[in-house]
Amino acid sequence: SSELTQDPAVSVALGQTVRITCQGDSLRTYHSSWYQQKPGQAPILVIYNKDARPSGIPDRFSGSSSGNTASLTITGAQAEDEADYYCNSRDISANRWVFGGGTKLTVL
Amino acid sequence: QVHLVQSGAEVKKPGASVKVSCKSSGYTFTSHWMHWVRQAPGHGLEWMGVISPTGDARAYEQKFQGRVTMTRDTSTNTDYLELSSLRSEDTAVYYCARDWSMADRGWWFDPWGQGSLVTVSS
Repeated sequence: SSELTQDPAVSVALGQTVRITCQGDSLRTYHSSWYQQKPGQAPILVIYNKDARPSGIPDRFSGSSSGNTASLTITGAQAEDEADYYCNSRDISANRWVFGGGTKLTVL
Repeated sequence: QVHLVQSGAEVKKPGASVKVSCKSSGYTFTSHWMHWVRQAPGHGLEWMGVISPTGDARAYEQKFQGRVTMTRDTSTNTDYLELSSLRSEDTAVYYCARDWSMADRGWWFDPWGQGSLVTVSS
């Protein structure tokens, strides 16, 4: 089975750009998706199919992928972007899906 | 508008079973798989399993094999997650999330239910 690795915490100054990364072997085969979760709320989809943005998600959110690493970039971070972010993909060796451990984003 | 509405909070004793429901509306229920994901307090998201559109196929995370059962009632557009032999470590918020996929390379979960808190305590 494969796992996805994320940095536990990242901080960014208000209005600056931040990149959150996710590493795992499955990302060489399958596209990633990203979820934002604020305290006490259910996760919401912010990026799917490695770089597609759902309607209603601000265009400051973007996704990319190279090799075994997927990235979520927030260009011009806002206070309301402070949240936990999780990556996800299908496992390469089994009929299962895996989440990264999550990254807590602090906007300073 | 698509909605997934889950059942309310439950308190169970160790060794008991719990059944959480997730009622879908606003889309063709039998066109999508449904995933279940849980989140223990202060922890990350953990994938539990997925059920097929007609309910005739399932895939469970290995750690839950033997304790988890996912079913669906297509007449009421409702999915069910049952977890047995509960222990304190099963205390968590349980989410249902609709599956999307594209070209056998990308999968994603959207939308999610609001979550159902299950507390296991003696």
